Amino acid sequence: DTEVTQTPKHLVMGMTNKKSLKCEQHMGHRAMYWYKQKAKKPPELMFVYSYEKLSINESVPSRFSPECPNSSLLNLHLHALQPEDSALYLCASSQGRTSGPYNEQFFGPGTRLTVL
Amino acid sequence: KQEVTQIPAALSVPEGENLVLNCSFTDSAIYNLQWFRQDPGKGLTSLLLIQSSQREQTSGRLNASLDKSSGRSTLYIAASQPGDSATYLCAVRGRGGSARQLTFGSGTQLTVLP
Repeated sequence: DTEVTQTPKHLVMGMTNKKSLKCEQHMGHRAMYWYKQKAKKPPELMFVYSYEKLSINESVPSRFSPECPNSSLLNLHLHALQPEDSALYLCASSQGRTSGPYNEQFFGPGTRLTVL
Repeated sequence: KQEVTQIPAALSVPEGENLVLNCSFTDSAIYNLQWFRQDPGKGLTSLLLIQSSQREQTSGRLNASLDKSSGRSTLYIAASQPGDSATYLCAVRGRGGSARQLTFGSGTQLTVLP
């Protein structure tokens, strides 16, 4: 099973709302990632968790708050977002250490976020 | 800083043609290179992963090559079909400080006409 699942598929929220995006994988992977993708652009890395610890934060605004409750789950908590945060949010996972040479990343289907 | 370029940005071919997508990168110190497919509004599907020690990988009608010394990779698609229409992205995993990250190209949008 090489599946990464994400919920919800679509999310519309106001600038004062608090919401969460969820990501799950059951491949035994120990590295999980959040990416943001704007239309017709490549994905941009936001956060990396390695063995449930935050290892990379690509200078993401604090209105995005990641959480890794266990090795299979990754959440992204959203609060006081701006309209320019509207994008496709992608979760990915890979096995073992993130610096390993055999690290193939598997992506979920994404959550389409619209901020009004 | 690693930079990845994909040319062309868009490509339209008739069904049945063989085609080549190109990817170039500026820093040859990489762990591996991964080719992805993305359908509109969807996630990325991993197509092929080539380790830095490998020259090519094959999966069905797809063949990816890697020339690390020249900073180039190609994705060859044989006997193209309308279902191959999608955006194809290449991404490299660097060494050292950037080892945890994939650096993506901007993609090639492929349209296969029936």
